Amino acid sequence: NAGVTQTPKFRILKIGQSMTLQCTQDMNHNYMYWYRQDPGMGLKLIYYSVGAGITDKGEVPNGYNVSRSTTEDFPLRLELAAPSQTSVYFCASSLTGGGADTQYFGPGTRLTVL
Amino acid sequence: GNSVTQMEGPVTLSEEAFLTINCTYTATGYPSLFWYVQYPGEGLQLLLKATKADDKGSNKGFEATYRKETTSFHLEKGSVQVSDSAVYFCALSDPYGGSQGNLIFGKGTKLSVKP
Repeated sequence: NAGVTQTPKFRILKIGQSMTLQCTQDMNHNYMYWYRQDPGMGLKLIYYSVGAGITDKGEVPNGYNVSRSTTEDFPLRLELAAPSQTSVYFCASSLTGGGADTQYFGPGTRLTVL
Repeated sequence: GNSVTQMEGPVTLSEEAFLTINCTYTATGYPSLFWYVQYPGEGLQLLLKATKADDKGSNKGFEATYRKETTSFHLEKGSVQVSDSAVYFCALSDPYGGSQGNLIFGKGTKLSVKP
């Protein structure tokens, strides 16, 4: 199993550009999450999904959109990139989404907006 | 609201030293508590967890005990190795939060172990 994979690893965007961060998991997990990690800070939840076709906002959703058409994939779309979106983005998945369930993280995408 | 506070880093230790990283939390109800570790250039991975009061999580020589009376989940290891150099995150899962299974993270503590 590859686990959770993310592409690209690094990206530099200009202000106003758009891009999609890709996330795929091969563990047949129902729940998937997108977090951002700012320097010196913990991770904050952007969006999450409880299954194909079902998504919901997390703590910091502004400026982002998601979709979940399959169990495996959970892409994160940035529209009109802004410097405040410079961060490291992590995708994660879990089987049940229960409070005690382990989340499995991808290696992250480092995004810089100039 | 729910929150996690962990000790500021960075922490620098010599090999075989004793490690403690403090973590306290604020939560409604009875959260599950986690320690995740992030090695350089990698994503986070679960180190250990505890799901109810007085539970002790342990893995790779690390351990932490869920103390409800002090709302704490301190991470300890008796003898650290150079390979333990990483960033350690304390986190809780809010059982009553709207984001199912959402983890609330502390800011992370960077540990460097010198040979």
